[in-house]
Amino acid sequence: GNSVTQMEGPVTLSEEAFLTINCTYTATGYPSLFWYVQYPGEGLQLLLKATKADDKGSNKGFEATYRKETTSFHLEKGSVQVSDSAVYFCALSVQEGAQKLVFGQGTRLTINP
Amino acid sequence: DTGVSQDPRHKITKRGQNVTFRCDPISEHNRLYWYRQTLGQGPEFLTYFQNEAQLEKSRLLSDRFSAERPKGSFSTLEIQRTEQGDSAMYLCASSLDQGIYGYTFGSGTRLTVV
Repeated sequence: GNSVTQMEGPVTLSEEAFLTINCTYTATGYPSLFWYVQYPGEGLQLLLKATKADDKGSNKGFEATYRKETTSFHLEKGSVQVSDSAVYFCALSVQEGAQKLVFGQGTRLTINP
Repeated sequence: DTGVSQDPRHKITKRGQNVTFRCDPISEHNRLYWYRQTLGQGPEFLTYFQNEAQLEKSRLLSDRFSAERPKGSFSTLEIQRTEQGDSAMYLCASSLDQGIYGYTFGSGTRLTVV
């Protein structure tokens, strides 16, 4: 079946630190990969995506590269800000049928000033 | 367009009561999804509509749950005879045909069953 495994949190960093949140996946097909972010009290927002191997998704200083050989899609940011504090979800979607999203359990990130 | 709207934002109900949630998707989106998110977990797929047709339902969607999307516009999710285990955030999302490029989620309805 399809599944996503994320680095467990919570993760606490100081402002301007380097961020990595690990994500690996298992999929029966050829999935698209996503990172979603959930700020306190809000719904999920699409942060970035990649639809094929070696694609790099990027947005707001965050990046993730679709690595088919290691079945990974790690999220990185070179210098985090307090406003990046949120819960981050890695997810995949396969092309068949409903194209539903399968999510990881989420990683809570707190950035201290 | 203001995105995906969900109503209500919060609902507290007594065990055994029925509840209904509403989702208004982005107007040009033909796909609509319902997910459930429990505390500390990622969202889990419940069901999916393409236009007015409900095409897939998760095993999580017991016979107490029913979803509709009349005329392919807004959708409702009803839970009958609520149980404490139904307490969760219920998220609605919509997309165009190519859902593999990502959805737009609403802010969710938080249900608490007491």
